[in-house]
Parts: sequence; C-alpha cells; structure tokens
Amino acid sequence: AQSVTQLGSHVSVSEGALVLLRCNYSSSVPPYLFWYVQYPNQGLQLLLKYTSAATLVKGINGFEAEFKKSETSFHLTKPSAHMSDAAEYFCAVSLSGNTPLVFGKGTRLSVIA
Amino acid sequence: DAGVIQSPRHEVTEMGQEVTLRCKPISGHNSLFWYRQTMMRGLELLIYFNNNVPIDDSGMPEDRFSAKMPNASFSTLKIQPSEPRDSAVYFCASTQWNTEAFFGQGTRLTVV
Repeated sequence: AQSVTQLGSHVSVSEGALVLLRCNYSSSVPPYLFWYVQYPNQGLQLLLKYTSAATLVKGINGFEAEFKKSETSFHLTKPSAHMSDAAEYFCAVSLSGNTPLVFGKGTRLSVIA
Repeated sequence: DAGVIQSPRHEVTEMGQEVTLRCKPISGHNSLFWYRQTMMRGLELLIYFNNNVPIDDSGMPEDRFSAKMPNASFSTLKIQPSEPRDSAVYFCASTQWNTEAFFGQGTRLTVV
C-alpha cells in the first residue's frame, strides 16, 4: 500500500523567505510523486510531478522538489515566498499516471508581510 | 479545453433527499476519479473508472453512494438518502495514461 506523510499541518514564513514543505512517502514500487496546490474554494492545481526522470523537478510559480529515494522524501521548496503563495499544499503518490492518487493531509502555507 | 467540469458548484439539501453530482472529464482522458474532501479525513478516493469501467469502488462509504459513467464524457455520483455526515467537497478528476490528474472545481455539499 502507498501512503504519504506531510510534516506540519501549518507552515508560516515571511515574504521573501525560503519555503520548505516536507513530504515523505511509502511505496512498494517506484512511485509517481506529485505536489498540488489548492486555493480557497478552488480545485487542486498541479505544481510539479516526478515520474522517474530527473530527481530535481521544477514546477510552476518557482517551486521545485527533489526526489530522494534513500530518504523516501519529496520535499517542496521555493527560494523566496510571495504573498500569493498562501494556500494549501498536498503531496500525493501513485503507481502510475492513471491510477488513483493517495494524498497527504496537506500543509497550509501562510505568508507574512 | 475547458477542463474538468463539475456541477453544481454548491448543493444544499435536506437529510433523506437524493443528491446527484455531475462531472464532465477532459475530452480524450480515459480515467476518471471521484474524491471527497473533509477537514477530518482529508482527500479520500471514492471510486475510479478506466475506459468507463469501474475499477475500484472500495472507497465508497456505504450503499447509499453509487457512481456511474455511461460514456466517456459524463459521470455521476449519487447519494440516496443523504445524511449530514455526507457534507463535504466532492472532486472529480480525469487523466490520460501517464499524465497528471486534472481536477474540477468541486461540489460543496451541505446536508442539513
């Protein structure tokens, strides 16, 4: 079975500071890994995905994530937070592109001016 | 493409009533997923279809829940009878082989 653990249900950073959202996964086979963002009253939007190619994945809005097999981690980072980054972020794992996603509980990111 | 389209966006109904949620996936996508989002349980998979065929419905909480996909461009999730604990946001998502899942805007269901 697959699972995802997101450390920290709420992360608060200052505008311009580094954003680090943590995700650890469990999978019996090489996983597909995703980060999605959800703004209030909206659906989920893909930030980036890892599908067994380059371990450092660049996404939209300046976000990136690094797949570390030895640590079973897929942490999300952004060098400089912007007020518009305030949202809920979900890490997810799946077996392939058309199998269901298993989501973490989510991390709410707050950005302080 | 307009993306995954869900309707209605909001639904308020009385306990015991039938509720039908609708989803139109992105054209050409062959997999469709129904998820439920609550504060307590987060995002849970209810059921998914490949090529209009239900593959896994183990996440459907009770027999009160049913889902259909009569063709590649339409799916429904029905709750009958509805209960207050069914209040949640229900998302539909679609994908093609080895691409990411695209989500609809969700239906916020409130059962009073």
